[in-house]
This record gives sequence, C-alpha cells and structure tokens, in this order.
Amino acid sequence: DTAVSQTPKYLVTQMGNDKSIKCEQNLGHDTMYWYKQDSKKFLKIMFSYNNKELIINETVPNRFSPKSPDKAHLNLHINSLELGDSAVYFCASSQPGQGISNEQFFGPGTRLTVL
Amino acid sequence: QKEVEQDPGPLSVPEGAIVSLNCTYSNSAFQYFMWYRQYSRKGPELLMYTYSSGNKEDGRFTAQVDKSSKYISLFIRDSQPSDSATYLCAMRRNSGGSNYKLTFGKGTLLTVNP
Repeated sequence: DTAVSQTPKYLVTQMGNDKSIKCEQNLGHDTMYWYKQDSKKFLKIMFSYNNKELIINETVPNRFSPKSPDKAHLNLHINSLELGDSAVYFCASSQPGQGISNEQFFGPGTRLTVL
Repeated sequence: QKEVEQDPGPLSVPEGAIVSLNCTYSNSAFQYFMWYRQYSRKGPELLMYTYSSGNKEDGRFTAQVDKSSKYISLFIRDSQPSDSATYLCAMRRNSGGSNYKLTFGKGTLLTVNP
C-alpha cells in the first residue's frame, strides 16, 4: 500500500498555464507538507497544514495556493506558470509531537517542466 | 550564510570504503538532526536521526552530532553499491509553530563503485 501518493508523476506544460498537483496520505497523519526540489537537489519547504489548517507558509509567490479538503489530502494549485517553477514537487506527511514521531514520509514527487 | 551547509559532492568511492558525510549549521535552536537518503527519481526517506549531541549507530551507519561546533556527520562503513544515492541532512527546532519545519542541506551525491 502506498503511504503518500502524488498525481501526476510528470507534468509538462506551457508558460502561463494553471495546473494542480494532488497528494493523498493513508497514514492517518495530521500534518502534510509541500516541498520544492530544484535542479541542484535543494529541498525547500513551501507549505504545511495541520488538520486542514495552514501552519507554515514560506516565502512563496501567491501564484501557489495549497488546499486541504481533509487531513488526508493536500493539493497544490499553481497559476500562471513560469519557467522558474520547473522542479520536482514533493508532498510529505507526519504525525506531530515530540521526538521522531514527527518523522516526515515523502511521496514519490511530481516532476514539473514548464516550457 | 545559509542555515544549513552541505557539500554537494559528488563523492565517488570504491565498494567497501568508509564514507563520511557532513553538514554544518548556524542556528543553535536546532535540536533534532536527521539524515535522509534519496535514490534517483524517488522521494527522500529517513535513514537516521539523533536528538541533541551524541552518537547513534544502526548497522553500518553512524550519525554524530557536535552541537558545540554546530557540525553533524554520517558515517557509512563497508559501503555498498546499493548505498549510491543523495544524502540530505535535515534539522529542526523543538518547540512552537516551527516544530514541524525541517531545514535541509543541499544533499551530497554519493556513488559507490563495485
């Protein structure tokens, strides 16, 4: 059984388009995240939701809008795509608390290419 | 200065070698230190973690944290070709709204040659 899944796996689109990436976790975790990994493998957090509430919102253009319909799902919508948005986007989930109970489990990633 | 610095490599070693991977950090509030392994075209997976200073051993892997020097290390003994991956250090604080936020290093690409 897949713990954290993302769709689509690959996304190729033109500049200016709007696209969405979906994420689902079946681990029963309360917290979900979106990360962006650039071509140099640098992994940077974008957003985090805890029980459908936004708790982390890093300096991300407002073209990016996360939506959490329930605590098992966290989707990412991107408006007016730009070339610099090309990256791999990872969804992750964790169960908050002290210690390693906050281990983050990552999905397989969505490779976004903007032409 | 970035909060977490990690030499991106690449690092290429022969099978059986001892590998040393390192990160330095500037934020003294970091309390939890982790190493993630990421195979090509896959998501990162947690390999090891330590809390505060000290050593932790798990099979061929040893994680060390020196908080006084703000320096963490991952050692891999008897390295295998299957260890070939990108290794990312990550760390986080222990309290408040930032409890959930991990700050990652840039990752070191390791290749173990048979």
